[in-house]
Amino acid sequence: DAKTTQPPSMDCAEGRAANLPCNHSTISGNEYVYWYRQIHSQGPQYIIHGLKNNETNEMASLIITEDRKSSTLILPHATLRDTAVYYCIVRVEALWNTDKLIFGTGTRLQVFP
Amino acid sequence: NAGVTQTPKFRILKIGQSMTLQCTQDMNHNYMYWYRQDPGMGLKLIYYSVGAGITDKGEVPNGYNVSRSTTEDFPLRLELAAPSQTSVYFCASSYRGLAGEILVQYFGPGTRLTVT
Repeated sequence: DAKTTQPPSMDCAEGRAANLPCNHSTISGNEYVYWYRQIHSQGPQYIIHGLKNNETNEMASLIITEDRKSSTLILPHATLRDTAVYYCIVRVEALWNTDKLIFGTGTRLQVFP
Repeated sequence: NAGVTQTPKFRILKIGQSMTLQCTQDMNHNYMYWYRQDPGMGLKLIYYSVGAGITDKGEVPNGYNVSRSTTEDFPLRLELAAPSQTSVYFCASSYRGLAGEILVQYFGPGTRLTVT
């Protein structure tokens, strides 16, 4: 299973962009990169996913390098409510075409005023 | 839609007791999952189901059992509880249609279980 590496923690000032890096050097050609976040002790929340092109939605942008060995999640204007643990996950397809999400320990993002 | 609901929110078990963690989703999702999260760690997949009557093991299935008799419900059974099963348990669901679109997993609020 492809593994991901993330820094354990990062800080960001409110209103600034938060750039969260992820290394996934063993990713296979057809494996997607997912980002989820977990606020306090709640259930994880889906943010965004991508294969090889950059992606943007209402929550964030995802930049994937051309060799696909790393990616960056960008929260363009971080708020205090974005304080959470962010998980970068490489999708592993399990039996019957479902997903087996391999969660690492993630990056704890602290947004400060 | 309530999404994914889990009961109970908290539970304390004695060693050797058994219990069932309940999970229900009202989004008509075909896939459902059970994860556990130990303190300071990421989530680990226990079991998953791709539809009524079909389940399979995840990374850490030992000590647990599941069943899926309806689309909505996916209970997780703990037999002979052990201190190593002290954790927060999350249920999730997702949908895949015939087009094979990418799955997004929706998580419940979790059940915090302590075994002493």
